[in-house]
Amino acid sequence: AQSVTQPDIHITVSEGASLELRCNYSYGATPYLFWYVQSPGQGLQLLLKYFSGDTLVQGIKGFEAEFKRSQSSFNLRKPSVHWSDAAEYFCAVGGNFGNEKLTFGTGTRLTIIP
Amino acid sequence: DTGVSQNPRHKITKRGQNVTFRCDPISEHNRLYWYRQTLGQGPEFLTYFQNEAQLEKSRLLSDRFSAERPKGSFSTLEIQRTEQGDSAMYLCASSLRQGATEAFFGQGTRLTVV
Repeated sequence: AQSVTQPDIHITVSEGASLELRCNYSYGATPYLFWYVQSPGQGLQLLLKYFSGDTLVQGIKGFEAEFKRSQSSFNLRKPSVHWSDAAEYFCAVGGNFGNEKLTFGTGTRLTIIP
Repeated sequence: DTGVSQNPRHKITKRGQNVTFRCDPISEHNRLYWYRQTLGQGPEFLTYFQNEAQLEKSRLLSDRFSAERPKGSFSTLEIQRTEQGDSAMYLCASSLRQGATEAFFGQGTRLTVV
């Protein structure tokens, strides 16, 4: 069975500070991994995805994530956060051929303080 | 390309009533997914369609739930005899490629059962 763990329920960072959101996954084969962002009352927007190849992937809005197979992790990073980054962030696994569903973590709520 | 459209955005209903939600995917996307998201949780997979065929259903999709995608275009999700536990955000996503590798989400329909 596939699963995702996001150990941090809520993170608060100062504007301009760096950010790292943690994600650990469990998957029986080579995973497809995703990070989505959700603003209050809104749907999900894809930030970035990993399928294969370079383990450091770049996404939109200045985000990046690194796939580490040995640690079963796919942490999201941003060097300098902006107030507009305040939102809920979800890590997800799955979605490759023969496995159409995405399994999401419980999310990390990001608060930005001035 | 106007994105995935969901209607209504909000629905308040009395317990025991039936409700129906509609999802219009991105045109030419042959895959369509329904997810449910409760407060403080990540989205959970409900079901998915490839064209008009419903190919997978989660155990979360009880007998009171039914989804259709006639002609492989828009989809409807109906909940019969609603219960308070059905209160959630119902998200629709669509994809063109195999697997949910490029899934685009709608803004969701928030259901409140009173």
